[in-house]
Amino acid sequence: ETGVTQSPTHLIKTRGQQVTLRCSSQSGHNTVSWYQQALGQGPQFIFQYYREEENGRGNFPPRFSGLQFPNYSSELNVNALELDDSALYLCASSWSGGAREQYFGPGTRLTVT
Amino acid sequence: AQRVTQPEKLLSVFKGAPVELKCNYSYSGSPELFWYVQYSRQRLQLLLRHISRESIKGFTADLNKGETSFHLKKPFAQEEDSAMYYCALKSRGNEKLTFGTGTRLTIIP
Repeated sequence: ETGVTQSPTHLIKTRGQQVTLRCSSQSGHNTVSWYQQALGQGPQFIFQYYREEENGRGNFPPRFSGLQFPNYSSELNVNALELDDSALYLCASSWSGGAREQYFGPGTRLTVT
Repeated sequence: AQRVTQPEKLLSVFKGAPVELKCNYSYSGSPELFWYVQYSRQRLQLLLRHISRESIKGFTADLNKGETSFHLKKPFAQEEDSAMYYCALKSRGNEKLTFGTGTRLTIIP
């Protein structure tokens, strides 16, 4: 069984640029959730994808968008980067039925300068 | 709006002493509560959830709806318990997890 993987591990971008983060869900999982974790804070829910559709969104502006692919992998896109977007971005996958435990990836550390 | 509060950012406990990590929540419906743990250089992982009422690594947590609390307890702390602990809430019919700010637990040998 392969766990949740994320790429890249680290990323440095300039304010105003766009970034794409990637997540491969755990084998057998069909739901992917994205979280932003700022320094010293708990993870904050960005949105979730189920069967390639957005299935719930947190309090994040539209410049945060995502995709889920037929193989259940997912992308998080952030446009017009701001300094406050600097954070650890976590992806979590789960199976929509059953216990629905979310399994987290190692995260992508984004720094915006 | 749902909210999770962990009042202690840092907690230090001697090995063998009891541990209690506090978690309070606000939510108008019937929530599902979880404790997640992150050991050094490892990813966030589920420690336990209230609906399963199980004990994992000696930890237990009881949901107290009257006090809106879900404190994590262990009678005898071990050095390997040193980690970051997050309390999280999931509302019924919604997959969103709301996390607290976390408590860093350090076990003193």
